[in-house]
Amino acid sequence: QKEVEQNSGPLSVPEGAIASLNCTYSDRGSQSFFWYRQYSGKSPELIMFIYSNGDKEDGRFTAQLNKASQYVSLLIRDSQPSDSATYLCAVKREQAGTALIFGKGTTLSVSS
Amino acid sequence: GAVVSQHPSRVICKSGTSVKIECRSLDFQATTMFWYRQFPKQSLMLMATSNEGSKATYEQGVEKDKFLINHASLTLSTLTVTSAHPEDSSFYICSAIGHKYGYTFGSGTRLTVV
Repeated sequence: QKEVEQNSGPLSVPEGAIASLNCTYSDRGSQSFFWYRQYSGKSPELIMFIYSNGDKEDGRFTAQLNKASQYVSLLIRDSQPSDSATYLCAVKREQAGTALIFGKGTTLSVSS
Repeated sequence: GAVVSQHPSRVICKSGTSVKIECRSLDFQATTMFWYRQFPKQSLMLMATSNEGSKATYEQGVEKDKFLINHASLTLSTLTVTSAHPEDSSFYICSAIGHKYGYTFGSGTRLTVV
């Protein structure tokens, strides 16, 4: 089982809709979770991080964490064509170093 | 904010030669550096973790003699791809953390081995 799993997509939504991106992880002891956006040929950009169960909102973005289900999600409200990118879920390793372990990423396409 | 400068951004080299990639933390001390590799349409795969002044810890399946990592100071880490082959062509990205800063990524290096 991979440490971090995401549906690779593509996920297509119309402009103005809500995009929902999902991620599951295998290490039950994981404490820190991150969402990054990556454009082709560029390095990842941090969108937000979440440590506690529940929702965390930042502008149009909401991260949701359910540690019991080992599940993290990212909601993007009022999606814009500029949101079209690959979204990477990352989980901080709690043992053997502090590296971020990334999922495959979900490609989001927002059509105008 | 924290900045990690990564060079070169692009490099083309001949098969069998070695290539060095540098990552510098410009305004903070990077206690730990991480090196990732990303193939097209794939995720970032962790190659190794390095702490200043100590040997790097490599992930399973990564050849330590092929991918030499040096973290000689708190602001500089280098990755040298030795005897590069076309299958080493990839996008290499470093990431650094410091005492007051979270994960800061370099801009990446596109390596093409011909």
